[in-house]
Amino acid sequence: DTGVSQDPRHKITKRGQNVTFRCDPISEHNRLYWYRQTLGQGPEFLTYFQNEAQLEKSRLLSDRFSAERPKGSFSTLEIQRTEQGDSAMYLCASPTEAFFGQGTRLTVV
Amino acid sequence: QKEVEQNSGPLSVPEGAIASLNCTYSDRGSQSFFWYRQYSGKSPELIMSIYSNGDKEDGRFTAQLNKASQYVSLLIRDSQPSDSATYLCAVSLYGNNRLAFGKGNQVVVIP
Repeated sequence: DTGVSQDPRHKITKRGQNVTFRCDPISEHNRLYWYRQTLGQGPEFLTYFQNEAQLEKSRLLSDRFSAERPKGSFSTLEIQRTEQGDSAMYLCASPTEAFFGQGTRLTVV
Repeated sequence: QKEVEQNSGPLSVPEGAIASLNCTYSDRGSQSFFWYRQYSGKSPELIMSIYSNGDKEDGRFTAQLNKASQYVSLLIRDSQPSDSATYLCAVSLYGNNRLAFGKGNQVVVIP
């Protein structure tokens, strides 16, 4: 147990719907990362927070994606107007990538 | 050129044998290197980190780093069925606050 909790663990949604995922580190570590992993590939970096500031965003993070970390504690990742290509495992890590959460598996049908 | 490459296909090894995995990377400025184990349907679990040239041993695992040749390897000695998983190589890119991962290598340990 890395102490990083992600919710939900699984999400099935219809194409075009919005989804939101949550990540809770065990304590208020200042760094938090989001990665995405599609089937047969390694995780790909999405974004990184230092406290509440989003310091880096990948080009993978299109305008349909938004991430927040209010008050530097938990973080949310929202995908608007989901597409089938968004189907993946979404991973949160804090304070470093040594501590991944269980992930949220998204299936867009 | 991909940042991190793991090109070997699935690796089948008999129980008790040595499993050997290789990884190459493109960024010469990389300083930190990691191996993760990932069971099917689960998130990656860090098993080894290495920062300087040479070997680093931790139990049945040995990581080897050669910065001049830009490769990292992982040896699993006395392979057990519980070692059956996908192994991911990851590299911390110079000047970046992120890791670049390879696509992983599947290891199957045959009892």
